[in-house]
Order: sequence, then C-alpha cells, then structure tokens
Amino acid sequence: EVVMTQSPATLSGSPGERVTFSCRASQTVGTNLAWYQQKPGQAPRLLIYGASTRATGIPPRFSGSGSGTDFTLTISSLQSEDVASYYCLQYSNWPPWTFGQGTKVEIK
Amino acid sequence: EVKLLQSGGGLVQPGGSLRLSCGASGFDFRTYAMSWVRQAPGKGLEWVSSISESGGYDTFYADSVKGRFTISRDNSKKTLSLDMTSLRAGDTALYFCARSAGTYALGINFDFWGQGDLVIVSS
Repeated sequence: EVVMTQSPATLSGSPGERVTFSCRASQTVGTNLAWYQQKPGQAPRLLIYGASTRATGIPPRFSGSGSGTDFTLTISSLQSEDVASYYCLQYSNWPPWTFGQGTKVEIK
Repeated sequence: EVKLLQSGGGLVQPGGSLRLSCGASGFDFRTYAMSWVRQAPGKGLEWVSSISESGGYDTFYADSVKGRFTISRDNSKKTLSLDMTSLRAGDTALYFCARSAGTYALGINFDFWGQGDLVIVSS
C-alpha cells in the first residue's frame, strides 16, 4: 500500500499570500496524483489531476507540480473562499486508492 | 449536469446491516466505474470500495471492510449500492459515492462526488 503523507497539518495565511503545501508518497506514483478541496459540510471537489492539470472550472490561482514521490499544491493568492481542507490522492498503485491525511488552510 | 444523489444512511446497532444507495443522472452511468469513500468524524478521506462500469467480478475493497461490505450496481436503474453488514463502531462515517474521472477507466481519480450519507454505528 502506498502511504501518502501531507504537510503541514495546518497552514495559516494572509489574504493575497502565496501558500504551498506538500504531499509525499512512500513509493513512486508517477504523475497519478490528484488534489481535492473539501469545505466543512461539503463533498470533496477535484482541483488537480495528473499532478498538474487543473480540473474544469478551477481558478488559475491553484497549481500543482511534482512527480514520482514529491508533490506540491500552490495557491498563488490566498482568498477567503479557499479556507478548506486539502487532500492528495494517489491512483497509481491500486487497490487501495490512498489519500493523504489532509492539510487544513486557515486565514489569518 | 452530473448529479449523484445518495440515500440510505442512518443509525444502526453494532453487528447490524445497512444499505447505501447512490442514484446517478446527467451522464452515461453504464460507462463509468464508481466508488465509495468514507470520512470518519473529524478525520480524513478513506477509500472503501470500487466497481468497474460493468460490475460483475470487477470489484475491489479496502481490507477494513472486505468480507463485510458488498458493492454493486444496476446500470438499468443508474444506481450504485453498498451493502454493509457486521457493522462496527469504527464504520461510523460520512459515506460518499464518487465517479471515476473517465469512461471505461477504473484506476484513475474521482471527479464527481455525492453529497454524503451519514452512517452511525452505536448501541
């Protein structure tokens, strides 16, 4: 099983700030990595797939990068509506599909 | 518009059974693999089970539910189901159905999700 580790657990940023958080896989997953945003009380929303491709309707301030075992999600200019938890998902070696434990983003 | 409408959650005693359903609309259901993902209260996301677009023997389960949960689908009714038996307190979670992000493709990410259905296992 591929273990996905996200850091930090919580991140606090100011409006307009550039924020970055990471996801590391215990073994290579190529670019079979997706990022999801989940707001309280809502279902997850797909942000990024293929490590760097934005899903339909996702604002360009969200970007993903990386391959192999190390991945990054960047919000170029943090907005209040970005307050949420963010999860990475690997779909290279399945089953199981495995998620990271999440990064919670807060606004200062 | 893609929609996944869930139903069937609720309170059940330990050892009991429950069936979750997920009704699909807005896309050709029979061409997409489907999955269940759960989220325990205050915790992260955990994949539970997946089924190919045709169903049959192409089903997969997390070790934590193998032998207790059964995923199935009825393509004529555009419905995905999860039959849960021998439920434990550790199965308490919000259960989401989710669509694979491409036709005839099981081993990819999930794009659209249902609204979630709460299952509480407690005496």
